[in-house]
Amino acid sequence: DVKVTQSSRYLVKRTGEKVFLECVQDMDHENMFWYRQDPGLGLRLIYFSYDVKMKEKGDIPEGYSVSREKKERFSLILESASTNQTSMYLCASSFTDRGNQPQHFGDGTRLSIL
Amino acid sequence: RKEVEQDPGPFNVPEGATVAFNCTYSNSASQSFFWYRQDCRKEPKLLMSVYSSGNEDGRFTAQLNRASQYISLLIRDSKLSDSATYLCVVNAPASGGSYIPTFGRGTSLIVHP
Repeated sequence: DVKVTQSSRYLVKRTGEKVFLECVQDMDHENMFWYRQDPGLGLRLIYFSYDVKMKEKGDIPEGYSVSREKKERFSLILESASTNQTSMYLCASSFTDRGNQPQHFGDGTRLSIL
Repeated sequence: RKEVEQDPGPFNVPEGATVAFNCTYSNSASQSFFWYRQDCRKEPKLLMSVYSSGNEDGRFTAQLNRASQYISLLIRDSKLSDSATYLCVVNAPASGGSYIPTFGRGTSLIVHP
């Protein structure tokens, strides 16, 4: 079974803090993704990575950065947290396989910025 | 990026009913298609892939119509436990040989006794 593990289920931080969300997958997947999900807006892609040290912007990268130093780990960084970044954050991974493979998600991190 | 559209619902049906959801996509280069289920405050979980020939998994049937660019999900004999949000996902080519999934916003299903 694929296992995607996010470092925290719930996290509370203060405005202006630098926040790190970690994601680890154990299936040797090439692709990793970070989404946020807000009521009524669905899943929005923040960043994705299709290889170690590679990263691509998604639909809403502003205020975020990512790091992929090892294949199994993809980190999302909130450079200076703001209240509008309060959200559910979901990490996912997949094989490339010409786009024929589904994503597998972690449990999500509920982040509150006070 | 191109869009994936779903009727948000909610679809409110009695137990035992048959219900169908559609999803349309605009990127004709889309490669693969999936339905996910998401329960309240949980992560999306893969329900089934969608193949051109159509495919069935128990009470669930998925269909793909490439010409009209839509996919569908049919649920027969609905159970209370089917209540959830159903997300349509379309994979399309992106940079570096990768593929990006685009998610619909989901269709809410409520099955009542």
